[in-house]
Amino acid sequence: QQQVRQSPQSLTVWEGETAILNCSYEDSTFDYFPWYHQFPGESPALLIAIRPVSNKKEDGRFTIFFNKREKKFSLHIADSQPGDSATYFCAASSPRFGAGTKLSVKP
Amino acid sequence: EAAVTQSPRNKVAVTGGKVTLSCNQTNNHNNMYWYRQDTGHGLRLIHYSYGAGSTEKGDIPDGYKASRPSQENFSLILELATPSQTSVYFCASGSHWGGSYEQYFGPGTRLTVL
Repeated sequence: QQQVRQSPQSLTVWEGETAILNCSYEDSTFDYFPWYHQFPGESPALLIAIRPVSNKKEDGRFTIFFNKREKKFSLHIADSQPGDSATYFCAASSPRFGAGTKLSVKP
Repeated sequence: EAAVTQSPRNKVAVTGGKVTLSCNQTNNHNNMYWYRQDTGHGLRLIHYSYGAGSTEKGDIPDGYKASRPSQENFSLILELATPSQTSVYFCASGSHWGGSYEQYFGPGTRLTVL
């Protein structure tokens, strides 16, 4: 049961660039869209989440953009730092996660 | 401090043996979850629970049983462990309040079945 599809599988950006991670879903009744991050050797932790009442949610350098019509949402990490290197998982109104995007930020 | 703890943190088991992984949460959350994480497969849901006495099958329940004797405790049981069950197992707790599925994860248990 794949609730969400996530891409790309891996992403490398240079320090200072904006990283863009993507997710899509199929069930139009979904109404909660979180992103989790997981650093090597650690457990996943909630990073930021959005509800479809708005198209955008910001928290510092992290922004979720939500497109209800296309059933897509993305995580933008502005001014990426090497410390942002981690695996990022999306989910949608479910305890099931996307396959993950491994982000590497090169200094 | 609210937390999710798991025990043991590391476990080596023999094929055919019984393994019990334990999870305790002090978040007072109704929902608890067990996942396994393998390279290339992300987080896969094994079993979950909506409260004491309830267990539900997730996406990969074969070979696993779950037990939720209380609000705080949720166990994952491998009756006959196999090498294919070698993995890192995460427990999580969460509430469904307001339609949110926000989860809090434990530190994980690394299980090796020889």
